[in-house]
Amino acid sequence: GQQLNQSPQSMFIQEGEDVSMNCTSSSIFNTWLWYKQEPGEGPVLLIALYKAGELTSNGRLTAQFGITRKDSFLNISASIPSDVGIYFCAGLRPQGAQKLVFGQGTRLTINP
Amino acid sequence: EAQVTQNPRYLITVTGKKLTVTCSQNMNHEYMSWYRQDPGLGLRQIYYSMNVEVTDKGDVPEGYKVSRKEKRNFPLILESPSPNQTSLYFCASSWDGGDNQPQHFGDGTRLSIL
Repeated sequence: GQQLNQSPQSMFIQEGEDVSMNCTSSSIFNTWLWYKQEPGEGPVLLIALYKAGELTSNGRLTAQFGITRKDSFLNISASIPSDVGIYFCAGLRPQGAQKLVFGQGTRLTINP
Repeated sequence: EAQVTQNPRYLITVTGKKLTVTCSQNMNHEYMSWYRQDPGLGLRQIYYSMNVEVTDKGDVPEGYKVSRKEKRNFPLILESPSPNQTSLYFCASSWDGGDNQPQHFGDGTRLSIL
């Protein structure tokens, strides 16, 4: 099945640094979502993007829906230890039923 | 509290022994879905359901069955589990499956098939 190309696969940063990750696809999506997953838990929605070009913030998180509808990025500013986890992008395909396609995930590790 | 509940959270079993993973949501959501998560592959959709008695295949349906007899429950059935079905499974739900209704996930079920 189709997947999104998410990069980087992992990041090791110092506390306080900014983080940037992105997802690309060869197909168009109607909606882009960014989830965070912590150990032993399911993905939790961080940001949802519904329109091409849309830029949305949630606290220190900012995400954008690419103008071509084939990509999205997520930025985290001034990282803190609780930002550790795996971040997934997900796209909703424009074909009626809600079929979510996920990226492979970005594992974020923060050194205090 | 609004939630998606999966049971069991962990299961170790043997090849060929039928098993069922239950999923229940208390948000009156119409749409429910099952995913499996494997290292390096992210989450892949197994089956989804738009409403009671309406189910459809996702990207990786082989070896799985589902049923949707009631709105709140969406069990995942492995009639004859095999080792390649060892994975972390997530159930999710949303209001109506529309573009502006992001899915809410359960905490996962880790299955090991020996």
